[in-house]
Amino acid sequence: EVQLVESGGGLVKPGGSLRLSCVASGFTFSNAWMNWVRQAPGKGLEWIGRFKSKADGGTTDYAAPVKGRFIISRDDSKNTLYLQMNSLKSEDTAVYYCAMGSTSWGQGTMVTVSS
Amino acid sequence: DVVMTQSPLSLPVTLGQPASISCKSSQSLVYSDGNTYLNWFQQRPGQPPRRLIYKVSNRDSGVPDRFSGSGSGTDFTLKISRVEAEDVGVYYCMQGTHWPTFGQGTRLEIK
Repeated sequence: EVQLVESGGGLVKPGGSLRLSCVASGFTFSNAWMNWVRQAPGKGLEWIGRFKSKADGGTTDYAAPVKGRFIISRDDSKNTLYLQMNSLKSEDTAVYYCAMGSTSWGQGTMVTVSS
Repeated sequence: DVVMTQSPLSLPVTLGQPASISCKSSQSLVYSDGNTYLNWFQQRPGQPPRRLIYKVSNRDSGVPDRFSGSGSGTDFTLKISRVEAEDVGVYYCMQGTHWPTFGQGTRLEIK
């Protein structure tokens, strides 16, 4: 059974940083394109970035609102995906989901950016 | 980015009756490999999204056969043949042909 467990969310001040983690199990992590998707309170879904498998180039792509501020990384030896979030803004307040492709999603971790 | 437009945004349905959600994309979703990467998700209150349909019309494992997807090019539809109480939630279309984008969501409620 595929499991994705996010952690690392919390309250952070504007301009601050936070690192989220997503531990995966139940599939071959190194073969998977891994993604981060967020959902602001009461709003819809926004795909913010992905990390392709090494076999498909091992590159990252980011949505415009987070490009240059967020960095996605992965440690295939630990089956873990990361999201380093820098220069946080109030509009980054959201539940952050880790997803394997579009197939399986974690429960999400809440990030609140507020002074 | 490709804009995905869903309608209606609110869908009150009587139990046992059918429901239909439309999703239109601002560009064709046919990829260079010939596939159309259009997915449908269900998000129940307080839960993460769950994929129901992939590549327009393929049901994910465990999804009841009352859910069906159809369409091509830029016009797509999700149909529920007979709505049940557990179907309450928000439904999103999402395209993966270009940079992934979602529709605004359609809130299904029981009338």
